[in-house]
Amino acid sequence: GESVGLHLPTLSVQEGDNSIINCAYSNSASDYFIWYKQESGKGPQFIIDIRSNMDKRQGQRVTVLLNKTVKHLSLQIAATQPGDSAVYFCAEKYSSASKIIFGSGTRLSIRP
Amino acid sequence: EADIYQTPRYLVIGTGKKITLECSQTMGHDKMYWYQQDPGMELHLIHYSYGVNSTEKGDLSSESTVSRIRTEHFPLTLESARPSHTSQYLCASSAPGRSYEQYFGPGTRLTVT
Repeated sequence: GESVGLHLPTLSVQEGDNSIINCAYSNSASDYFIWYKQESGKGPQFIIDIRSNMDKRQGQRVTVLLNKTVKHLSLQIAATQPGDSAVYFCAEKYSSASKIIFGSGTRLSIRP
Repeated sequence: EADIYQTPRYLVIGTGKKITLECSQTMGHDKMYWYQQDPGMELHLIHYSYGVNSTEKGDLSSESTVSRIRTEHFPLTLESARPSHTSQYLCASSAPGRSYEQYFGPGTRLTVT
């Protein structure tokens, strides 16, 4: 069956350092891989996506890397700020589907 | 800020009661979704809709039902609430061709006693 999973359930990072959140996926038929951020008491918020035919995409302070060989996805956050504290979910979408499957989430906490 | 709304935000209700969780979006999105999420856990899709009069069951079995009579409105109903229904329910929507980019409401935290 398909699954999207995360390597670490929690990550603690010093403010100003870079954060790297990892995710493993199992379905090679997915055409989009997505990262969402969920702050306490709120619904998830879309951060960035990457198509399966790409291996890197950059946004504002974030970079997503896709390694299809080992079915691995990562989210890099540059110069981590207190506002980055949240749970981060990776997700994947199959090419023919209008729905996405979420992984189990990594909690990112920032040390002052 | 996404224009998607959920009411109520919190609900405590007794076993056996019928409840409807409301979800509305003002973005004209064609697709809408309902997810169930326990604290700190992943989201599980319970229902989705491609458009008006189109609804599908999601990946997680649910005793709830949904309707989509208007584009902007996607209510979820539990005919008889049970303690096992205690969870957070999140509604989302997406624009045509962009189902990977979903906009979420703030959620309804349901407690069934």
